[in-house]
Amino acid sequence: KNQVEQSPQSLIILEGKNCTLQCNYTVSPFSNLRWYKQDTGRGPVSLTIMTFSENTKSNGRYTATLDADTKQSSLHITASQLSDSASYICVVSAQGYAGGTSYGKLTFGQGTILTVHP
Amino acid sequence: DAGITQSPRHKVTETGTPVTLRCHQTENHRYMYWYRQDPGHGLRLIHYSYGVKDTDKGEVSDGYSVSRSKTEDFLLTLESATSSQTSVYFCAISAFRDLLGSPLHFGNGTRLTVT
Repeated sequence: KNQVEQSPQSLIILEGKNCTLQCNYTVSPFSNLRWYKQDTGRGPVSLTIMTFSENTKSNGRYTATLDADTKQSSLHITASQLSDSASYICVVSAQGYAGGTSYGKLTFGQGTILTVHP
Repeated sequence: DAGITQSPRHKVTETGTPVTLRCHQTENHRYMYWYRQDPGHGLRLIHYSYGVKDTDKGEVSDGYSVSRSKTEDFLLTLESATSSQTSVYFCAISAFRDLLGSPLHFGNGTRLTVT
């Protein structure tokens, strides 16, 4: 069974500090991994995508890493801001095939709730 | 933001009553999805659509039905609501089913409470 585990479940940090969120997965065959940010009362929004061949990718103050051998990913947030307070969801896509076409079958992590205090 | 509108945003209903949630998109995307989000669980797929009148079940489809009569509209129906269906429901769209180059774009959710 495909699974995605995120840690920690919640995290409180002070504004300006850095933090790292973890995602471990057992998804096969692996296609890609996305990190989403979900603000309270809103739908998730994609932050970044990691494919099998990528180790590190940055999007502003967000840096995602992927170790396909150990099936781990991390999301590092630098110089946190109050607006970073949100839930961060790791989503892993498994390669599927149907009707001659490929598709991504998604497994969602439960998310890490990040709170940034002034 | 992708043009996705969910209605209603909040609804309280009684056990045993039918409920229909609506998702409307202005992006002309082929694929539309309904998810539910509950504490302690990741987002779980209820049903999805890959075209007008083309739908399929997700992992938690029992008690739910869907319809898609137009590209832009995807309806989720609870034929007889139960308390276990109290949840936040999200509609999502994507251009391609192979999501390598196509993230899911989510609406802002409908909070449904079944009393």
